[in-house]
Amino acid sequence: DQQVKQNSPSLSVQEGRISILNCDYTNSMFDYFLWYKKYPAEGPTFLISISSIKDKNEDGRFTVFLNKSAKHLSLHIVPSQPGDSAVYFCAASANTGFQKLVFGTGTRLLVSP
Amino acid sequence: SQTIHQWPATLVQPVGSPLSLECTVEGTSNPNLYWYRQAAGRGLQLLFYSVGIGQISSEVPQNLSASRPQDRQFILSSKKLLLSDSGFYLCAGRDGYNSPLHFGNGTRLTVT
Repeated sequence: DQQVKQNSPSLSVQEGRISILNCDYTNSMFDYFLWYKKYPAEGPTFLISISSIKDKNEDGRFTVFLNKSAKHLSLHIVPSQPGDSAVYFCAASANTGFQKLVFGTGTRLLVSP
Repeated sequence: SQTIHQWPATLVQPVGSPLSLECTVEGTSNPNLYWYRQAAGRGLQLLFYSVGIGQISSEVPQNLSASRPQDRQFILSSKKLLLSDSGFYLCAGRDGYNSPLHFGNGTRLTVT
């Protein structure tokens, strides 16, 4: 049962353009959402998060949007840079039990010069 | 913020051999600790989590076990490795709810 889904396994974008990575979830109890960036052979690095009381959070070139009614969140990277090329994971947790973070399967972003 | 130390970076072990991966946390007290595994081409699968010393919860029944002998130490073990245990193992820690998980650099385990 995949509670967090990233339906696009890969995305290619030109440098300077906007990258939009999407994530859908099924568990309506999720109330905290995060995006991570991962390079090969390294641990994921935290990028940005959003609580369910908000619909947008911005940090520099990264903005996360949350649409609770659609159970959908997205990460916008503007402008995209070649160094942004990596695998991006979205994750979600609910304030129940042991607050486990559930991850999506990842989207590989390639930003070409 | 906390720093997660994980070793070794790579490990090649024969089938049937034991395993012990260690993770230590710096910069915080009483963190929630987690072991994840990423199999080739797959997402991050939660294996174990712990909210305190001696407290371990298992997500997936399997050939592995975890222990937390000290507040900032988390150990992943196996008595006899299987080929299917190969993967990229990540330790992570979290200070509390609505705070991000911080990951170590991972261990690439290959069981031959």
